[in-house]
Amino acid sequence: DIQMTQSPSSLSASVGDTVTITCRASQSISSYLNWYQQKPGKAPTLLISSASRLRSGVPSRFSGSGSGTDVTLTVSSLQPEDFATYYCQQTYSPPYTFGQGTKLEIK
Amino acid sequence: EVQLVESGGGLVQPGGSLRLSCAASGFTFNSYGMSWVRQAPGKGLDWVSSISGGGGSTYYADSVKGRFTVSRDTSKNTLYLQMNSLRAEDTAVYYCAKGLGSGSYVSDYWGQGTLVTVSS
Repeated sequence: DIQMTQSPSSLSASVGDTVTITCRASQSISSYLNWYQQKPGKAPTLLISSASRLRSGVPSRFSGSGSGTDVTLTVSSLQPEDFATYYCQQTYSPPYTFGQGTKLEIK
Repeated sequence: EVQLVESGGGLVQPGGSLRLSCAASGFTFNSYGMSWVRQAPGKGLDWVSSISGGGGSTYYADSVKGRFTVSRDTSKNTLYLQMNSLRAEDTAVYYCAKGLGSGSYVSDYWGQGTLVTVSS
């Protein structure tokens, strides 16, 4: 099974900051990596698929890059609504494992 | 508009069974892979199972293999998760999610979730 490790587990930042979250796979997953955002009490929402494909309607301040074993999510110019928990998920091969999550909090 | 509505959750004793349903609308159901993802209280997302658009391919997490069965009924536009031999560690909110395509399990739409509590 492919293990997904996100870092950091938590992150404090201010409105207007730029933050980067990293997801590392235990083996190469090419670009089969997706990013989700989840707010408390709500279902997750898809932000980015295939490592860098921004879902329609998602603000362009979200971006993804990387392939192989290391993929990153960058959020530029943080907005108040961006403070949430972020998860990566590999869909390279089943089981389609998630990372443990990164909680982005307001500093 | 894509809608996914889960039902069937509740309180069940260890060793018991439960069947979750996910009623889908707003898209051609048999053209998209579907998944179940769960989240234990205060914990992260945990992929459970996926099924291809035609239903011919199914996948399971090791933790549920042999106990859970995913299926779909195209005539009813409904996804199911039959859960047997339930354990306390299966307690979670269970989400159904729609894939990007028939063999894609990138989840672009999610239901609101249904809570399963396994306790005596």
